[in-house]
Amino acid sequence: NAGVTQTPKFRVLKTGQSMTLLCAQDMNHEYMYWYRQDPGMGLRLIHYSVGEGTTAKGEVPDGYNVSRLKKQNFLLGLESAAPSQTSVYFCASSYTPPRGGSTDTQYFGPGTRLTVL
Amino acid sequence: RKEVEQDPGPFNVPEGATVAFNCTYSNSASQSFFWYRQDCRKEPKLLMSVYSSGNEDGRFTAQLNRASQYISLLIRDSKLSDSATYLCVVNMEKFYFGTGTSLTVIP
Repeated sequence: NAGVTQTPKFRVLKTGQSMTLLCAQDMNHEYMYWYRQDPGMGLRLIHYSVGEGTTAKGEVPDGYNVSRLKKQNFLLGLESAAPSQTSVYFCASSYTPPRGGSTDTQYFGPGTRLTVL
Repeated sequence: RKEVEQDPGPFNVPEGATVAFNCTYSNSASQSFFWYRQDCRKEPKLLMSVYSSGNEDGRFTAQLNRASQYISLLIRDSKLSDSATYLCVVNMEKFYFGTGTSLTVIP
């Protein structure tokens, strides 16, 4: 199993450009998540999905859109990139939802390093 | 106030030392707790879950103190390979991540 994969690994954009980050998992997980990680901020949830065809906003959703057309894929889109979106983006998946008391973990992809000039 | 707070460190310790990290959480209703490890420029990976009674995995011991709302991670006999950032994670219907504590084990 490849686990969780992300493409691309690195990308440099100019302000105003658009792009899509792809996340794929082969563990048949229902739940998928997009996080961004910035120095001193920790991981922050952007959007998440509880199943194919469903998405929901996380802590910092502005400027991003997502789609989950297939169970194994979760796409993160930036319609008009801004320098504030320079970050490392991690995708994660889990078999069960993060209910209180659950000890199920999240599995992370290797990350995408995005720089917006 | 952040949901999860950690001392960012850095902690620089010699090989063989014992080191402990603490993490506090704000929501007393939190029920699941984890420690993740993140190597430089890599993704976070689960190190261990934290159970109410405390749990041990080799050189690593995790403790939970619900009354004071903190969890701890103790690493005994530190190895060079333990150098990483350790993230405290609390499940409150979503996963909330601390900013991480940096550990460097020195030869």
